[in-house]
Amino acid sequence: AQSVTQLGSHVSVSEGALVLLRCNYSSSVPPYLFWYVQYPNQGLQLLLKYTTGATLVKGINGFEAEFKKSETSFHLTKPSAHMSDAAGYFCAVSGGFKTIFGAGTRLFVKA
Amino acid sequence: KAGVTQTPRYLIKTRGQQVTLSCSPISGHRSVSWYQQTPGQGLQFLFEYFSETQRNKGNFPGRFSGRQFSNSRSEMNVSTLELGDSALYLCASSLEQGGYGYTFGSGTRLTVV
Repeated sequence: AQSVTQLGSHVSVSEGALVLLRCNYSSSVPPYLFWYVQYPNQGLQLLLKYTTGATLVKGINGFEAEFKKSETSFHLTKPSAHMSDAAGYFCAVSGGFKTIFGAGTRLFVKA
Repeated sequence: KAGVTQTPRYLIKTRGQQVTLSCSPISGHRSVSWYQQTPGQGLQFLFEYFSETQRNKGNFPGRFSGRQFSNSRSEMNVSTLELGDSALYLCASSLEQGGYGYTFGSGTRLTVV
């Protein structure tokens, strides 16, 4: 069985500051891990994914995430926040013909 | 190429009615999954279809059902609507489950009054 925990339902950063969104997962099989972004009144958009291989994964819009098996984590980072990054972010784990999503983190970016 | 298309975008129904939502996946994608999104419960998995077969189902009552057609288009139906069914219903398509990731539609916003 899979599960996903996202620490912090709301995160606020200043423009230009580091963005760190936390995700921990549980999976009984080697996981496929994802981060998605959701803007208001839209569906989710894939930011990046980890399947196998390199544990540091780069995605769109300057985001990256690192798979740490020992910590069962897949935290999302971006060195410098931009106002346009304000959105909902969802971590997900895939297996067994379904993908399970975390509760999501709403990112606020202050000018 | 065209994205995932969900129709209608918005829907208002009365308690006790039924509703059918439609999803056209990306061409070539055979896996279609449905999710219910609410502020309190987040994204909850409804079901997944592949080549017209339901392969997995979430923990929803039998009032929620779905199907997939030979062209991979999918529909979900909710009968005897309840106020708590008000939500954003998202359809996601993929080549296959696993490491491919989803492409989501914009969703159908269902309001039950």
